[in-house]
Amino acid sequence: DTGVSQDPRHKITKRGQNVTFRCDPISEHNRLYWYRQTLGQGPEFLTYFQNEAQLEKSRLLSDRFSAERPKGSFSTLEIQRTEQGDSAMYLCASSQGQKSAEAFFGQGTRLTVV
Amino acid sequence: AQTVTQSQPEMSVQEAETVTLSCTYDTSESDYYLFWYKQPPSRQMILVIRQEAYKQQNATENRFSVNFQKAAKSFSLKISDSQLGDAAMYFCAYRSAVSGANSKLTFGKGITLSVRP
Repeated sequence: DTGVSQDPRHKITKRGQNVTFRCDPISEHNRLYWYRQTLGQGPEFLTYFQNEAQLEKSRLLSDRFSAERPKGSFSTLEIQRTEQGDSAMYLCASSQGQKSAEAFFGQGTRLTVV
Repeated sequence: AQTVTQSQPEMSVQEAETVTLSCTYDTSESDYYLFWYKQPPSRQMILVIRQEAYKQQNATENRFSVNFQKAAKSFSLKISDSQLGDAAMYFCAYRSAVSGANSKLTFGKGITLSVRP
Protein backbone atom coordinates (compact mmCIF):
# COMPACT_ATOMS: atom_id res chain seq x y z
CA ASP A 1 0.00 0.00 0.00
CA THR A 2 1.41 3.37 -1.00
CA GLY A 3 -0.55 5.46 1.47
CA VAL A 4 -3.28 8.01 0.86
CA SER A 5 -3.46 9.03 -2.77
CA GLN A 6 -5.09 12.17 -4.13
CA ASP A 7 -5.82 13.09 -7.71
CA PRO A 8 -5.17 15.48 -9.34
CA ARG A 9 -2.24 17.10 -7.56
CA HIS A 10 -2.94 20.45 -9.15
CA LYS A 11 -6.04 21.92 -10.76
CA ILE A 12 -6.48 25.31 -12.38
CA THR A 13 -10.03 26.20 -13.27
CA LYS A 14 -12.01 29.22 -14.37
CA ARG A 15 -14.45 30.79 -11.98
CA GLY A 16 -17.86 29.23 -12.32
CA GLN A 17 -16.64 25.83 -13.45
CA ASN A 18 -17.18 22.61 -11.52
CA VAL A 19 -14.27 20.54 -10.25
CA THR A 20 -14.01 17.10 -8.69
CA PHE A 21 -11.19 15.68 -6.62
CA ARG A 22 -10.56 12.08 -5.72
CA CYS A 23 -9.04 10.51 -2.63
CA ASP A 24 -8.00 6.88 -2.25
CA PRO A 25 -7.41 6.12 1.44
CA ILE A 26 -5.27 3.36 2.86
CA SER A 27 -7.27 0.26 2.05
CA GLU A 28 -8.17 -0.96 5.53
CA HIS A 29 -8.99 2.48 6.92
CA ASN A 30 -12.66 3.06 7.70
CA ARG A 31 -12.42 6.76 8.52
CA LEU A 32 -11.86 9.39 5.85
CA TYR A 33 -11.57 13.14 6.26
CA TRP A 34 -11.39 16.14 3.98
CA TYR A 35 -9.61 19.31 5.07
CA ARG A 36 -8.94 22.64 3.38
CA GLN A 37 -5.68 24.50 3.87
CA THR A 38 -5.09 28.06 2.72
CA LEU A 39 -1.68 29.68 2.52
CA GLY A 40 -0.10 30.21 5.91
CA GLN A 41 -2.91 28.49 7.78
CA GLY A 42 -3.48 25.12 9.33
CA PRO A 43 -5.86 22.63 7.75
CA GLU A 44 -9.55 23.21 8.50
CA PHE A 45 -11.98 20.33 8.77
CA LEU A 46 -14.55 20.00 5.98
CA THR A 47 -16.21 16.63 6.31
CA TYR A 48 -15.84 13.12 7.72
CA PHE A 49 -16.89 9.65 6.61
CA GLN A 50 -17.01 6.46 8.58
CA ASN A 51 -17.19 3.75 5.95
CA GLU A 52 -19.73 5.06 3.42
CA ALA A 53 -21.63 7.25 5.88
CA GLN A 54 -20.96 10.98 5.91
CA LEU A 55 -21.21 11.69 9.62
CA GLU A 56 -20.28 15.34 9.88
CA LYS A 57 -20.00 18.38 7.67
CA SER A 58 -18.38 21.65 8.68
CA ARG A 59 -20.16 24.96 8.23
CA LEU A 60 -17.28 25.72 5.84
CA LEU A 61 -18.86 23.25 3.44
CA SER A 62 -21.32 25.42 1.56
CA ASP A 63 -24.09 24.06 -0.65
CA ARG A 64 -21.68 24.22 -3.58
CA PHE A 65 -19.59 21.48 -2.00
CA SER A 66 -20.54 17.83 -1.98
CA ALA A 67 -18.60 14.77 -0.93
CA GLU A 68 -19.27 11.10 -1.40
CA ARG A 69 -17.69 7.85 -0.42
CA PRO A 70 -19.50 5.10 -2.29
CA LYS A 71 -18.93 1.61 -0.92
CA GLY A 72 -16.71 3.02 1.80
CA SER A 73 -13.62 3.03 -0.38
CA PHE A 74 -12.45 6.08 -2.36
CA SER A 75 -14.03 9.48 -1.86
CA THR A 76 -14.78 12.39 -4.14
CA LEU A 77 -15.13 16.06 -3.31
CA GLU A 78 -16.97 18.19 -5.84
CA ILE A 79 -17.11 21.95 -5.91
CA GLN A 80 -19.76 23.48 -8.14
CA ARG A 81 -19.62 27.01 -9.56
CA THR A 82 -16.13 27.62 -8.22
CA GLU A 83 -15.23 30.99 -6.75
CA GLN A 84 -11.82 32.58 -6.26
CA GLY A 85 -12.17 32.03 -2.53
CA ASP A 86 -12.18 28.30 -3.14
CA SER A 87 -8.51 28.45 -4.10
CA ALA A 88 -6.71 26.32 -1.52
CA MET A 89 -5.05 22.99 -0.89
CA TYR A 90 -7.59 20.22 -0.32
CA LEU A 91 -6.24 17.48 1.90
CA CYS A 92 -7.58 14.02 2.44
CA ALA A 93 -6.70 11.86 5.43
CA SER A 94 -7.65 8.40 6.61
CA SER A 95 -7.40 6.44 9.83
CA GLN A 96 -8.53 3.18 11.35
CA GLY A 97 -9.77 2.10 14.72
CA GLN A 98 -9.16 4.06 17.88
CA LYS A 99 -9.35 7.84 18.10
CA SER A 100 -5.73 7.84 19.18
CA ALA A 101 -4.83 6.32 15.86
CA GLU A 102 -2.66 8.28 13.51
CA ALA A 103 -4.36 10.03 10.63
CA PHE A 104 -2.43 9.55 7.39
CA PHE A 105 -2.56 12.41 4.94
CA GLY A 106 -2.37 12.53 1.19
CA GLN A 107 -0.27 15.08 -0.66
CA GLY A 108 -3.29 17.19 -1.37
CA THR A 109 -4.91 18.76 -4.42
CA ARG A 110 -3.99 22.38 -4.98
CA LEU A 111 -6.89 24.25 -6.56
CA THR A 112 -6.43 27.60 -8.23
CA VAL A 113 -9.53 29.42 -9.42
CA VAL A 114 -8.80 32.15 -11.96
CA ALA B 1 -15.49 24.37 20.51
CA GLN B 2 -11.84 23.55 20.80
CA THR B 3 -9.15 25.93 19.63
CA VAL B 4 -5.42 25.49 19.07
CA THR B 5 -3.06 28.44 19.13
CA GLN B 6 0.45 28.61 17.76
CA SER B 7 1.56 32.17 18.30
CA GLN B 8 5.06 31.94 16.79
CA PRO B 9 4.82 32.05 12.99
CA GLU B 10 8.49 31.31 12.40
CA MET B 11 11.51 29.97 14.23
CA SER B 12 15.08 29.27 13.31
CA VAL B 13 17.60 26.90 14.84
CA GLN B 14 21.23 26.08 14.24
CA GLU B 15 21.94 22.56 13.08
CA ALA B 16 22.63 20.23 16.05
CA GLU B 17 21.01 22.64 18.50
CA THR B 18 17.72 22.28 20.35
CA VAL B 19 14.53 24.18 19.60
CA THR B 20 11.14 24.32 21.30
CA LEU B 21 7.91 25.02 19.44
CA SER B 22 5.01 26.31 21.51
CA CYS B 23 1.34 25.41 21.39
CA THR B 24 -1.62 26.19 23.62
CA TYR B 25 -5.15 24.90 23.31
CA ASP B 26 -8.52 25.50 24.81
CA THR B 27 -11.08 22.84 25.60
CA SER B 28 -13.68 21.98 28.19
CA GLU B 29 -13.12 18.26 27.66
CA SER B 30 -11.03 16.17 30.01
CA ASP B 31 -10.14 13.41 27.59
CA TYR B 32 -8.42 14.16 24.32
CA TYR B 33 -5.32 13.62 22.22
CA LEU B 34 -2.71 16.10 21.12
CA PHE B 35 -0.48 15.74 18.09
CA TRP B 36 2.39 17.44 16.36
CA TYR B 37 2.43 17.06 12.58
CA LYS B 38 5.26 18.01 10.23
CA GLN B 39 4.57 19.30 6.71
CA PRO B 40 7.71 19.59 4.56
CA PRO B 41 7.49 21.89 1.53
CA SER B 42 5.31 20.33 -1.18
CA ARG B 43 5.10 17.07 0.72
CA GLN B 44 2.45 15.37 2.74
CA MET B 45 1.84 15.91 6.41
CA ILE B 46 3.30 13.27 8.70
CA LEU B 47 2.82 12.58 12.38
CA VAL B 48 5.77 13.50 14.60
CA ILE B 49 4.44 12.66 18.03
CA ARG B 50 1.20 12.17 19.95
CA GLN B 51 0.14 12.57 23.57
CA GLU B 52 -2.88 11.13 25.36
CA ALA B 53 -4.29 13.64 27.84
CA TYR B 54 -4.83 11.00 30.52
CA LYS B 55 -1.12 10.17 30.56
CA GLN B 56 1.04 12.29 32.83
CA GLN B 57 4.25 11.12 31.24
CA ASN B 58 5.45 13.24 28.36
CA ALA B 59 5.72 11.44 25.03
CA THR B 60 9.10 11.01 23.35
CA GLU B 61 10.07 9.79 19.88
CA ASN B 62 13.81 9.71 19.32
CA ARG B 63 14.91 13.36 19.02
CA PHE B 64 11.37 14.67 19.54
CA SER B 65 9.74 15.14 22.91
CA VAL B 66 6.83 17.10 24.30
CA ASN B 67 6.20 19.12 27.43
CA PHE B 68 2.52 18.53 28.19
CA GLN B 69 1.07 20.78 30.87
CA LYS B 70 -2.58 19.82 31.14
CA ALA B 71 -3.60 22.43 33.70
CA ALA B 72 -1.98 25.19 31.67
CA LYS B 73 -3.30 23.67 28.41
CA SER B 74 0.14 23.84 26.93
CA PHE B 75 1.77 21.34 24.58
CA SER B 76 5.24 22.26 23.34
CA LEU B 77 7.49 20.24 21.05
CA LYS B 78 11.22 19.99 21.66
CA ILE B 79 13.49 18.97 18.83
CA SER B 80 16.98 17.96 19.95
CA ASP B 81 20.05 17.74 17.73
CA SER B 82 18.24 19.57 14.93
CA GLN B 83 18.91 18.33 11.42
CA LEU B 84 18.52 20.02 8.04
CA GLY B 85 15.67 17.62 7.29
CA ASP B 86 13.70 19.00 10.22
CA ALA B 87 13.03 22.19 8.26
CA ALA B 88 9.28 22.23 7.66
CA MET B 89 6.01 23.64 8.86
CA TYR B 90 4.90 22.13 12.17
CA PHE B 91 1.29 21.96 13.24
CA CYS B 92 -0.11 21.31 16.67
CA ALA B 93 -3.46 19.50 16.59
CA TYR B 94 -6.22 18.42 18.96
CA ARG B 95 -8.61 15.52 18.76
CA SER B 96 -11.48 14.82 21.11
CA ALA B 97 -11.61 11.43 22.84
CA VAL B 98 -15.21 11.92 23.94
CA SER B 99 -17.43 9.00 23.01
CA GLY B 100 -19.62 9.86 20.06
CA ALA B 101 -17.50 12.80 18.91
CA ASN B 102 -15.98 12.43 15.51
CA SER B 103 -12.25 12.05 15.30
CA LYS B 104 -11.49 15.18 13.31
CA LEU B 105 -8.33 17.11 14.03
CA THR B 106 -8.36 20.78 14.99
CA PHE B 107 -5.11 22.42 13.89
CA GLY B 108 -3.20 25.51 14.88
CA LYS B 109 -1.93 27.91 12.24
CA GLY B 110 1.46 26.25 12.19
CA ILE B 111 5.02 27.40 12.64
CA THR B 112 7.70 27.46 9.96
CA LEU B 113 10.96 26.04 11.25
CA SER B 114 14.17 26.74 9.41
CA VAL B 115 17.45 24.99 10.21
CA ARG B 116 20.72 26.86 9.65
CA PRO B 117 23.68 24.74 8.56
